[in-house]
Amino acid sequence: NAGVTQTPKFQVLKTGQSMTLQCAQDMNHEYMSWYRQDPGMGLRLIHYSVGAGITDQGEVPNGYNVSRSTTEDFPLRLLSAAPSQTSVYFCASSPRLVSGANVLTFGAGSRLTVL
Amino acid sequence: TQLLEQSPQFLSIQEGENLTVYCNSSSVFSSLQWYRQEPGEGPVLLVTVVTGGEVKKLKRLTFQFGDARKDSSLHITAAQPGDTGLYLCAGRGAAGNKLTFGGGTRVLVKP
Repeated sequence: NAGVTQTPKFQVLKTGQSMTLQCAQDMNHEYMSWYRQDPGMGLRLIHYSVGAGITDQGEVPNGYNVSRSTTEDFPLRLLSAAPSQTSVYFCASSPRLVSGANVLTFGAGSRLTVL
Repeated sequence: TQLLEQSPQFLSIQEGENLTVYCNSSSVFSSLQWYRQEPGEGPVLLVTVVTGGEVKKLKRLTFQFGDARKDSSLHITAAQPGDTGLYLCAGRGAAGNKLTFGGGTRVLVKP
């Protein structure tokens, strides 16, 4: 199994450009989420989805859009990139997240630099 | 917003020494998880603790959940260079649909 696949692994953007970070999972997980990781701040939740057609905001949603048209895919869109969005982005999925025993499976991350 | 504070932020020790990482909050969590992350990779789950006062052991790693379910600790006995990495705690609130991460503790075990 591939698990959680993120693309691209690295991306450099100019301020104001748009792009989409792709995330796909092949485990039939209901729950998918996007985090950003910045030094000393751990992982902060951007958006999450509990199933196809359902999305919700996390801690730091501003500047990001998501959609969940299929169970497998959960793309993260930056409509107008800003230097403050320079970060490492992680996609994670879980069968569900209402049970305390459920495990988040993370992708390998996408490093984004906005100049 | 439920906040998790980890301490210390960075720990450098010699192989064979013991270390403890702390994860504290003023909020109650229904469960708490510990992850380890290596450079260029995503975090990988080490353990989940659910019950207040619970202690779990994973080889040389001992995890404890506080009685009030507001704090947790990770203790590594006789650390090895392979234990080097970023350790993250993550707590799940009562609603269950969000996982809040601490800032992480970077551990370096020198041979």
